[in-house]
Amino acid sequence: LAKTTQPISMDSYEGQEVNITCSHNNIATNDYITWYQQFPSQGPRFIIQGYKTKVTNEVASLFIPADRKSSTLSLPRVSLSDTAVYYCLVGTSNDYKLSFGAGTTVTVRA
Amino acid sequence: GAGVSQSPSNKVTEKGKDVELRCDPISGHTALYWYRQSLGQGLEFLIYFQGNSAPDKSGLPSDRFSAERTGGSVSTLTIQRTQQEDSAVYLCASSLGRVDNSPLHFGNGTRLTVT
Repeated sequence: LAKTTQPISMDSYEGQEVNITCSHNNIATNDYITWYQQFPSQGPRFIIQGYKTKVTNEVASLFIPADRKSSTLSLPRVSLSDTAVYYCLVGTSNDYKLSFGAGTTVTVRA
Repeated sequence: GAGVSQSPSNKVTEKGKDVELRCDPISGHTALYWYRQSLGQGLEFLIYFQGNSAPDKSGLPSDRFSAERTGGSVSTLTIQRTQQEDSAVYLCASSLGRVDNSPLHFGNGTRLTVT
């Protein structure tokens, strides 16, 4: 399994853009990059996934450079409700021991 | 459609008692996962099912833990002779399994408190 490294915490203010970078230097050819969001007292929720280049959905954008050794989750114009823990995972469905590390705790302030 | 459902949402039990935690995955999802999350921590993998088979049980913390899945659907995680260190949130997730980029869909967990 590709090991990932992401910041422990980030602080932001409402209306700002938040960018969380995840390092995964030993990503394998078949691996996908998937981000999950977890609110208190809830299970993690899938927010975005990519293989290369850029992916955008209604919630976030995911930027993946050509070497795929890192990825950046971008949350545009955050609100207080975006305060959560964000997890970066790298692997395929065969990697059933998916490692959800400590994630990045994003705190959005008014 | 319906998501992953877990029951009970909260369980308080006395040390030494057995508990059963239930997970109803999304219909059609062949893969099912159990994780444990202690307060303020990341998720700890426990066991994975593909259909009714669990190819790897090495994540289970001790032989007091067991899990089964029947009919390729509902799964039960059983903890025997509970200990205080078993207190945590137990999360279940399901996915389409064999699709390489199939994301996990989580339930909201069962919060287990052992007194």
